[in-house]
Amino acid sequence: EAQVTQNPRYLITVTGKKLTVTCSQNMNHEYMSWYRQDPGLGLRQIYYSMNVEVTDKGDVPEGYKVSRKEKRNFPLILESPSPNQTSLYFCASSRQGGNTGELFFGEGSRLTVL
Amino acid sequence: QKEVEQDPGPLSVPEGAIVSLNCTYSNSAFQYFMWYRQYSRKGPELLMYTYSSGNKEDGRFTAQVDKSSKYISLFIRDSQPSDSATYLCATISGGYNKLIFGAGTRLAVHP
Repeated sequence: EAQVTQNPRYLITVTGKKLTVTCSQNMNHEYMSWYRQDPGLGLRQIYYSMNVEVTDKGDVPEGYKVSRKEKRNFPLILESPSPNQTSLYFCASSRQGGNTGELFFGEGSRLTVL
Repeated sequence: QKEVEQDPGPLSVPEGAIVSLNCTYSNSAFQYFMWYRQYSRKGPELLMYTYSSGNKEDGRFTAQVDKSSKYISLFIRDSQPSDSATYLCATISGGYNKLIFGAGTRLAVHP
């Protein structure tokens, strides 16, 4: 089954404790991206990657890091989480060359930073 | 001003009603418009995609773009309880698949 898998789905942590949210896709997609979803603000892009070893900032990259060492994986790293990073996070992927705006999303990771 | 504005609702309608969901956008250069549907505790999934102006129909769903007024709409005919979800409008800004989303409208269709 074609899918984007995120882990963990739910996480409660404390300020300053480094964490990683993993994302893996099995569709051989070149493009991957991370979004955060907050009430009233919709989905905002954090980082994206056009291919292996190619990453770039989205609209709200502060406090986040990413890496793309393999095509299928695109982890999101919070080096020192703060309460304003409490949010619902989505990883998404799509094939290169398409321009229909079709992103395939994971099921989301709900993060609470105390 | 946000690039894509969407009324968050919630919108509650009886089964069988016609639903109209709307967004406005600010940049006349936008040409690709999408509607995503997001069920509770799930990720968004693409529902419909349109290019430039005009209508596109898919079963009970019709997407409409009016570039002169920078207005995009999604109509749902004969709405069903299974249509209860959050609907997000989106457009592509600049680079490849860089989507800008509206805040989403929560729809509840009650039997």
